This record gives sequence, C-alpha cells and structure tokens, in this order.
Amino acid sequence: EVQLVESGGGLVQPGGSLRLSCAASKFTFSNYWMSWVRQAPGKGLEWVATINQDGSERYYVDSVRGRFTISRDNAGNSLFLQMNSLRPEDTALYYCARTPVVHLDYWGQGTLVTVSS
Amino acid sequence: SYELTQPPSVSVSPGQTASITCSGHKLGDKYACWYQQKPGQSPVLVIYQDNKRPSGIPERFSGSNSGNTATLTISGTQAMDEADYYCQAWDSSTVVFGGGTKLTVL
Repeated sequence: EVQLVESGGGLVQPGGSLRLSCAASKFTFSNYWMSWVRQAPGKGLEWVATINQDGSERYYVDSVRGRFTISRDNAGNSLFLQMNSLRPEDTALYYCARTPVVHLDYWGQGTLVTVSS
Repeated sequence: SYELTQPPSVSVSPGQTASITCSGHKLGDKYACWYQQKPGQSPVLVIYQDNKRPSGIPERFSGSNSGNTATLTISGTQAMDEADYYCQAWDSSTVVFGGGTKLTVL
C-alpha cells in the first residue's frame, strides 16, 4: 500500500527555517501531483502547497507564499517543503499527501513544527 | 478567496442516517470530496469526485453535490463513525477545505 513518511519537523525560533521531507514508496511517485497540508493544534485542515509531476507548477496558500517553497526529487521519490521566516502561526502538524486529481487520496502521519522562542 | 462552510457539529443516534453539508458558491460545478479524521490519526479520504468511494470505505458512506451544497451521508451510522469530517474542493489552482464537522454518535 502507498506509504508517505514525513520528517524534519521540530522546534524553531521565530524567523528561523526548517526543511520538511516526505519519503514516498509503493507507488510511481513521478506520476502524481503532491501536496502539503497542515493542522494547527486543535484546529482544522489547512492546505499549504501543491506541486505537479515535474515541478513546473507550484501553488501556495497566500499566507506562506514567498516564505515556503515546495519541491520534489522524482529520482529519490521525495517531496520537500522549505520553510523560511517562520512565524508562531506556522506551528502545526504538517502532512504530505498524494494528489491524484482534485483530491488527496493518501496522507502521511505528519511531522510537527513548533515555532516558539 | 473561495470558502466552504460546514456546520461545526452534527449528532446522530446509532443506526440512523447522518448528513453533513458543505456549502460554497456554485460548489456543484466543482468536484467535492470528504475526509474522515479520528483523534490522533491522519485524515482518510471517504468520498471523492462528489460520490465515489475509495477502496475499503464502507458502502454506508455516500456523497452528492448540486447547486451550492455537497452532502456526505452516512447510512446506518456506527459508533466507529464518530470523527471529524472535512469537505474539500479545488478552486483556481488552490485546495480549499471546509472548517470541519464533528460527528457525534450518541
């Protein structure tokens, strides 16, 4: 079955940076769009970014555009989220998800990002 | 920006039918999907493209989408269906989630 395993979360000070990774397996990674979605503690789901199969199209929620960059390595079956200029409101569990059409059919277990001084 | 609106909570008795709505401008012109999230777990897709069920999702889950409203229907609701449910659509190259509905089975 499809596997998505996120890593790279942790505690970072406001203004700092983190790079999240998502290791994909058990499917042909290069055939799919991929997304990052976050969930602040006790809150709902918030879409962060989506990337197409070859990385030529990238879309972001307004609140992270210019600070976060989604990318992928199809040879290594990995998805990334570079997060710069982090703010306390970026604190959340970050999920990667496979995005076959206009939905997200498989999700990882998430990696926790905490932005605090 | 596009918005999807869900009721914060819905209650249902075991064995009865639960309906959760999701409203958005001309939502029926887009594909809607639904996710189930239980405490401490990742979201699970239960309905996609308005009314399709992924493999492994029980038949009691169904969906519809018309006009400005998409609806998730759970027939013969079981205690295990108690969870948060989120609708989602795609608009202008962005993914939009509803605020979520807590389904209580009591």
